[in-house]
Amino acid sequence: DAGVIQSPRHEVTEMGQEVTLRCKPISGHDYLFWYRQTMMRGLELLIYFNNNVPIDDSGMPEDRFSAKMPNASFSTLKIQPSEPRDSAVYFCASSLEMRTPLHFGNGTRLTVT
Amino acid sequence: QKEVEQDPGPLSVPEGAIVSLNCTYSNSAFQYFMWYRQYSRKGPELLMYTYSSGNKEDGRFTAQVDKSSKYISLFIRDSQPSDSATYLCASDFNNAGNMLTFGGGTRLMVKP
Repeated sequence: DAGVIQSPRHEVTEMGQEVTLRCKPISGHDYLFWYRQTMMRGLELLIYFNNNVPIDDSGMPEDRFSAKMPNASFSTLKIQPSEPRDSAVYFCASSLEMRTPLHFGNGTRLTVT
Repeated sequence: QKEVEQDPGPLSVPEGAIVSLNCTYSNSAFQYFMWYRQYSRKGPELLMYTYSSGNKEDGRFTAQVDKSSKYISLFIRDSQPSDSATYLCASDFNNAGNMLTFGGGTRLMVKP
């Protein structure tokens, strides 16, 4: 299995631009999670989906952030407009069921200048 | 105060040393405790998983939970340079499934 695949690996953009991060979960996994990792705040859960339906988005910091999962094999996290404080590594993770280990992708390193 | 706290390190040890990594947590409702290992520029990967108090051993790794003091430990015996990574502890409620609360991570460096 290829694992969780994220793209791009690195993204550098200017403040005010729209950013779209992409994730392909492991096939057959029913749960998909978006996390953000920074030095100051560590790893924070932003939103998670079950069977393509958003279940809890209480971690999404602002309305500038939105996430979608149009089908079982694809999810996006969009930031519009982006700000320098959004600079972080964004991880996507998936799991088979609710109480099974998370499988993380290798992240997208976002830099907003 | 964060619900799960870790010393960020870095912790530097010579190869072969016994390593002790620790976390404290504040929420007494946490029942599940995990350790994730994260190599540089990679995603975290699950290393150990324990429920409630007690010890769990897997090869060179031992996870220990003391719920009375809200203390989580990971011991690494015969540490190797390949163990150099950031170690994240995580905790979960009894009925919240994968809603993990992560510590900030401790960076470990094992020198040959």
